[in-house]
Amino acid sequence: AQSVTQLDSQVPVFEEAPVELRCNYSSSVSVYLFWYVQYPNQGLQLLLKYLSGSTLVESINGFEAEFNKSQTSFHLRKPSVHISDTAEYFCAVSRSGGSNYKLTFGKGTLLTVNP
Amino acid sequence: NAGVTQTPKFQVLKTGQSMTLQCAQDMNHEYMSWYRQDPGMGLRLIHYSVGAGITDQGEVPNGYNVSRSTTEDFPLRLLSAAPSQTSVYFCASRRRDSYEQYFGPGTRLTVT
Repeated sequence: AQSVTQLDSQVPVFEEAPVELRCNYSSSVSVYLFWYVQYPNQGLQLLLKYLSGSTLVESINGFEAEFNKSQTSFHLRKPSVHISDTAEYFCAVSRSGGSNYKLTFGKGTLLTVNP
Repeated sequence: NAGVTQTPKFQVLKTGQSMTLQCAQDMNHEYMSWYRQDPGMGLRLIHYSVGAGITDQGEVPNGYNVSRSTTEDFPLRLLSAAPSQTSVYFCASRRRDSYEQYFGPGTRLTVT
């Protein structure tokens, strides 16, 4: 079984400041890792994913996350946030390979960007 | 494509009532799932399906039933609603060969 720990439930920052949302996972097998974003009153959208290859993955809106196998982490970062980045962010893990179909989510981190 | 649609958006039930939350997708995805989202708990998997006629239990299945008679539809039934089932429910789907799940807009359910 896999588990995900998001270390901060809320992260308030000022606009244009850098931000890091922390995610650690636990698994006895190889995993795929994901970050989902949920804007207010909406469903979840995939922000970025790590399946294989380069351990640094990027999204189209300036977020990046780095897979660190030794530290079992997949932290999400952005060098300069905007008001529009205010949302809840969920880290998720699934077992890699095969006909796997289950995602395990963390409890979420609410990012609030203040002017 | 409409993507993943869910109805209703909001629902209030009394304890003991039954109802069905509807979910449909028009992307011909094989896999569909139901999650519930509670404050501070993240999303928890209720039931999932890997194809028409095949369903299985997730992490929190008690009090819920599902069926999958077509690829497009995956309804979630509450047999006898309880206040503990007050939550936001999300349906999701994905292709068998992809790990990207597409989520519906959610149904906010209140059981009094």
